[in-house]
Amino acid sequence: RKEVEQDPGPFNVPEGATVAFNCTYSNSASQSFFWYRQDCRKEPKLLMSVYSSGNEDGRFTAQLNRASQYISLLIRDSKLSDSATYLCVVNSRGTGSQGNLIFGKGTKLSVKP
Amino acid sequence: EPEVTQTPSHQVTQMGQEVILRCVPISNHLYFYWYRQILGQKVEFLVSFYNNEISEKSEIFDDQFSVERPDGSNFTLKIRSTKLEDSAMYFCAIFLRDRSTDTQYFGPGTRLTVL
Repeated sequence: RKEVEQDPGPFNVPEGATVAFNCTYSNSASQSFFWYRQDCRKEPKLLMSVYSSGNEDGRFTAQLNRASQYISLLIRDSKLSDSATYLCVVNSRGTGSQGNLIFGKGTKLSVKP
Repeated sequence: EPEVTQTPSHQVTQMGQEVILRCVPISNHLYFYWYRQILGQKVEFLVSFYNNEISEKSEIFDDQFSVERPDGSNFTLKIRSTKLEDSAMYFCAIFLRDRSTDTQYFGPGTRLTVL
């Protein structure tokens, strides 16, 4: 049973394209959800938290569907610098964010000129 | 500015040797975590440390692993007798509240190579 599942990709898109990533999680008690970005051989870096109401940060939009246990990330007007692996992450605890994080394997994005 | 640094950035060791990986937070934090990532695989939780005690650990964190804060600032992960399969990136993380988001921030990692 995979706790956090993502399409591994790779997604190869041209600059300016819109790309969407999906993720499902198995623990229905999970309360905190995140997208992290990881460049090759670097540490995961927080991209954004994901809230039930959906949230947007510039070109990035994250959505959460608790009923389906489904998380999404939309990147609009993609840039070359968006090329990275995008990690779907769920906090193990039902409440609070101090619990350990559970990572998906990541979806690799490659943006081409 | 990074909240946490890690040393060394790369450690090469022989199988069976002990290694100590260090995590140095920039400011006071209560929650610390170690994760590892084997090349090509997902990031995996090892252990969490709160108020100078282990609060949670995974199945990976067996008797070969230990953590401590020897001087109240550095946070260390020790592997007593390294195996080939311990080769991985090891990330230290701290819990931080930033712009109303509670989450964990990762150090740059230590690449451990066991020969």
